[in-house]
Amino acid sequence: SQQGEEDPQALSIQEGENATMNCSYKTSINNLQWYRQNSGRGLVHLILIRSNEREKHSGRLRVTLDTSKKSSSLLITASRAADTASYFCATDEGTGFQKLVFGTGTRLLVSP
Amino acid sequence: DTAVSQTPKYLVTQMGNDKSIKCEQNLGHDTMYWYKQDSKKFLKIMFSYNNKELIINETVPNRFSPKSPDKAHLNLHINSLELGDSAVYFCASRTGTSSTDTQYFGPGTRLTVL
Repeated sequence: SQQGEEDPQALSIQEGENATMNCSYKTSINNLQWYRQNSGRGLVHLILIRSNEREKHSGRLRVTLDTSKKSSSLLITASRAADTASYFCATDEGTGFQKLVFGTGTRLLVSP
Repeated sequence: DTAVSQTPKYLVTQMGNDKSIKCEQNLGHDTMYWYKQDSKKFLKIMFSYNNKELIINETVPNRFSPKSPDKAHLNLHINSLELGDSAVYFCASRTGTSSTDTQYFGPGTRLTVL
């Protein structure tokens, strides 16, 4: 399977703490995206990082990419209860069709 | 003002039946996708259409047949349903033709095969 791996599988923190999720993938990529899925809902795009970028920020989100290690991390700073969700990384090899390969996901629980 | 909508939201049916799931997007996107998310939350692409033409067809049983009557709609028909087809099926559409596009997902259809 080409599916990426994410760790941890589950993460439980208190509001205000930072949450870090890691993603490893198997093939060369054009870009890597992170999506959030609230329980019982569809996925929502959070941030995209290109293969020639090493770090990207968006609000409380910080994404890093290390193509030599085929890994990425998502950091959520000052977490809120509303951040409780599953987070997925998704890679695109750049064929033009945007055939995303999703990771296994990290379930984040932020307690008030 | 739902961007990507799916019907039905829940579908419970018996093995061997044939069922369809409908997807519509009002975003004006040219590319649409079907994904399957299993009970372990693994999400895998099944099909993609660009302007009514099939462009991605993963290793999916022939019992699954997508149909795109126009670029705003992508339906999924499943014949002879099996227990293993139980999953949540997501439709998505894509903003453009760039590799840095965002995909917009529908709310999902939870299919339960008894």
